[in-house]
Amino acid sequence: GAVVSQHPSWVICKSGTSVKIECRSLDFQATTMFWYRQFPKQSLMLMATSNEGSKATYEQGVEKDKFLINHASLTLSTLTVTSAHPEDSSFYICSGTGHYEQYFGPGTRLTVT
Amino acid sequence: AQTVTQSQPEMSVQEAETVTLSCTYDTSESDYYLFWYKQPPSRQMILVIRQEAYKQQNATENRFSVNFQKAAKSFSLKISDSQLGDAAMYFCAYRIYRDDKIIFGKGTRLHILP
Repeated sequence: GAVVSQHPSWVICKSGTSVKIECRSLDFQATTMFWYRQFPKQSLMLMATSNEGSKATYEQGVEKDKFLINHASLTLSTLTVTSAHPEDSSFYICSGTGHYEQYFGPGTRLTVT
Repeated sequence: AQTVTQSQPEMSVQEAETVTLSCTYDTSESDYYLFWYKQPPSRQMILVIRQEAYKQQNATENRFSVNFQKAAKSFSLKISDSQLGDAAMYFCAYRIYRDDKIIFGKGTRLHILP
């Protein structure tokens, strides 16, 4: 199946700083990518839909100024958590829409101290 | 609004036995996909099985099969000959044809007892 990578896999940052997470589709072009957040022992919560070359669409309750999403090419989408706070600590997963299904990245664990 | 409900937060099954995970969903759409995803401790999401709503035949992938009841909006997953590697969180999910967005249920944690 198609492969989606995420970088970094784990990041620790200090409160008030910003952190960028990259999501790449390695062997297919993803016109649409999705960003999810997953708290421990919970389900995936969709944060936003990212379309190549256009602004992201955010789900209700997700702060678009805090979670900046850029989808500059058909193989790369980035999520920047701005002015991170401890409550932003979570597991972030991206996925890309391929020919038949969505392909998920391995996730990024963000810890804000 | 579309919703996906998994009523079993946790289940356990003896190795080599069969287990069924339940899922119901609510939608007014007629064309959609249903999925079961597995999330092992590594947290990598793995597609287990997919069902197109227009297909009456239940999808099967080796030891995994579904019981799709469209009128009842039910979509259960049966795992036969359970193996230790099947231990994971299982998510039922839904997607309408014209949209790539996937809606997930809350998940069922499956334990395999040796």
